Amino acid sequence: KAGVTQTPRYLIKTRGQQVTLSCSPISGHRSVSWYQQTPGQGLQFLFEYFSETQRNKGNFPGRFSGRQFSNSRSEMNVSTLELGDSALYLCASSEPGLAGGNTGELFFGEGSRLTVL
Amino acid sequence: GQNIDQPTEMTATEGAIVQINCTYQTSGFNGLFWYQQHAGEAPTFLSYNVLDGLEEKGRFSSFLSRSKGYSYLLLKELQMKDSASYLCAVRDRGYQLTFGKGTKLSVIP
Repeated sequence: KAGVTQTPRYLIKTRGQQVTLSCSPISGHRSVSWYQQTPGQGLQFLFEYFSETQRNKGNFPGRFSGRQFSNSRSEMNVSTLELGDSALYLCASSEPGLAGGNTGELFFGEGSRLTVL
Repeated sequence: GQNIDQPTEMTATEGAIVQINCTYQTSGFNGLFWYQQHAGEAPTFLSYNVLDGLEEKGRFSSFLSRSKGYSYLLLKELQMKDSASYLCAVRDRGYQLTFGKGTKLSVIP
C-alpha cells in the first residue's frame, strides 16, 4: 500500500500570498488530519476531516481552511500568508474508528515545508 | 482544552533504560498515544493506552494512570537508532488528537 502523499514538498511564498497544500491518504483511510509543526510549538492541530465533513478544528485563525473530497483526498489553504506561517505542514490519515473519526494511530506524510518571505 | 507536558530533552547511554514522562490535563480523555519522530522524518506510531496499566511492545513499554493524568514511555536496551523525539498525544472524546511538544532523546555510546 502506498503511504500518505503530500504535495508540494517544499514551497516559498511571500507575505500576503495564499497557498494550497494537497494530501492523498492511504487507500481505505477516510480520516485526514492536518498539523502545523514548528520548532517552538511542536505539532499543533489544524483540523480533521472524515467523509468530507470537518469533525474538529484547532485554534488557528480563519485564514487556515481545508476540505476533503469524496475520494478522501484533502487540501488545506492558507490565505494572506504571514511570516509566522513558515512551518512544516503534516497530513495524517487513519482508518475509521468504531465511532467514526480516527483510531488514534495516524500515518503521517513527509510534509510540505512552507517558507514565507 | 488539553494541556500536555513532557521534558524537552533527555540523554541516556546505549544499552541502558530510559523513562520519558508525560502529564496531561484534558476535558475528556479517550486514549493516550506515543509517537516517535526521527530528525527530518514524519512521526510514526509507537503505542496506545486507554486503560490504566502497562502495555509492552518489544523493547518499548507505555504506562497510563488516568486518575493521575500521567503516562510514561519506557525504552529498554537503548540503541543509537533510538535517538529521536518522542511525542505524547492525548485524544479527547471528539477524537481530536493533541500532541505535546516532544522529548528529544539523545543516546550516547
